[in-house]
Amino acid sequence: GNSVTQMEGPVTLSEEAFLTINCTYTATGYPSLFWYVQYPGEGLQLLLKATKADDKGSNKGFEATYRKETTSFHLEKGSVQVSDSAVYFCALTDQGGSEKLVFGKGTKLTVNP
Amino acid sequence: NAGVTQTPKFQVLKTGQSMTLQCAQDMNHNSMYWYRQDPGMGLRLIYYSASEGTTDKGEVPNGYNVSRLNKREFSLRLESAAPSQTSVYFCASSALTGEKQPQHFGDGTRLSIL
Repeated sequence: GNSVTQMEGPVTLSEEAFLTINCTYTATGYPSLFWYVQYPGEGLQLLLKATKADDKGSNKGFEATYRKETTSFHLEKGSVQVSDSAVYFCALTDQGGSEKLVFGKGTKLTVNP
Repeated sequence: NAGVTQTPKFQVLKTGQSMTLQCAQDMNHNSMYWYRQDPGMGLRLIYYSASEGTTDKGEVPNGYNVSRLNKREFSLRLESAAPSQTSVYFCASSALTGEKQPQHFGDGTRLSIL
């Protein structure tokens, strides 16, 4: 099946720093790609998505571009805030047109004031 | 907007006890899922239901059973709890359309097995 490799954490940054969380995938066909965010004590929330090559997903200042040539979907934000502290998960749809998602192991981000 | 509601939020069980985790969604979604989240492991799919009346095994189904009671509700049962099942359990749902739709998650059930 499809798989996701996500940057190991934890990541600690100062407020207003630039953020990159790397995500690469192995897949057959043309999966859709997602970033989810989990705030402490809560479930996962969709942050952004991209459904085809060269698509850029964006939300709340975060961006990620679906790069088929490098099989990557790296998450970036130009200036992080303390409120961005959370765990970030990269995910993709499983093979064969399934509705199932395959998740990376998550990257914990802490932003200090 | 309730979205996906899970009950209970916390539970402590003794080894060998049974319990059912409840999940309900009010978004008229066709597909529902149960995951477990363990430190360093990300989310692993236990069971899913693509539509009312169907269920399928995910990556880690052993020790669990599920019931898709109706379109809204999808329950997860532990028949004889084991310490290895200590985890945070998440229910999710998604619409079934031509384009891949995101999954919507509940807030989780934190389960400890002593």
